[in-house]
Amino acid sequence: GAGVSQSPRYKVAKRGQDVALRCDPISGHVSLFWYQQALGQGPEFLTYFQNEAQLDKSGLPSDRFFAERPEGSVSTLKIQRTQQEDSAVYLCASSLQVIYNEQFFGPGTRLTVL
Amino acid sequence: QKEVEQNSGPLSVPEGAIASLNCTYSDRGSQSFFWYRQYSGKSPELIMFIYSNGDKEDGRFTAQLNKASQYVSLLIRDSQPSDSATYLCAPLAGGAQKLVFGQGTRLTINP
Repeated sequence: GAGVSQSPRYKVAKRGQDVALRCDPISGHVSLFWYQQALGQGPEFLTYFQNEAQLDKSGLPSDRFFAERPEGSVSTLKIQRTQQEDSAVYLCASSLQVIYNEQFFGPGTRLTVL
Repeated sequence: QKEVEQNSGPLSVPEGAIASLNCTYSDRGSQSFFWYRQYSGKSPELIMFIYSNGDKEDGRFTAQLNKASQYVSLLIRDSQPSDSATYLCAPLAGGAQKLVFGQGTRLTINP
């Protein structure tokens, strides 16, 4: 079946602009995760949804970052007033979360803030 | 001390040999451990997970877990040039659903 999809794949923003990144999880996966990956580093957790409920947002770096999943399927990560330090690859993962929470990643969105 | 430590490499292994990738973690509450492979410019791809002490084999891959030593490893037998990638160790945080990644070990298989 189809995997996790993300759009756009690449986004260039001027500092101060708002951006919205979309994630479409694997059909039937109840859990959805956002991670941020800086160059040369492993991904870092941002936030987690189970269905439409945001159960963990401990990794969001500031109140400029906001995520939603209103109908328990597609999710959007919004970054307001982007800064250069927000430049990274934003990865979305989904999980069926039956027992072991195997997370499958989408292709990512590479955000460059100029 | 980082939560998850991996040797960043690069680790260079001749084709056909065994590649050994190691990872230590600090969260004693972690119960499940995942290995991801990431090719340059691509997203992480799940290879294996392990949750019990001991070995778990899947094809050419063997994951090993020792919770007492807080140590996880991944062995790749009969290494192929296509195995050249960065390998990410990721325990599931204790009491949470998030993966905590190491910085990854870059592996190069030399023909």
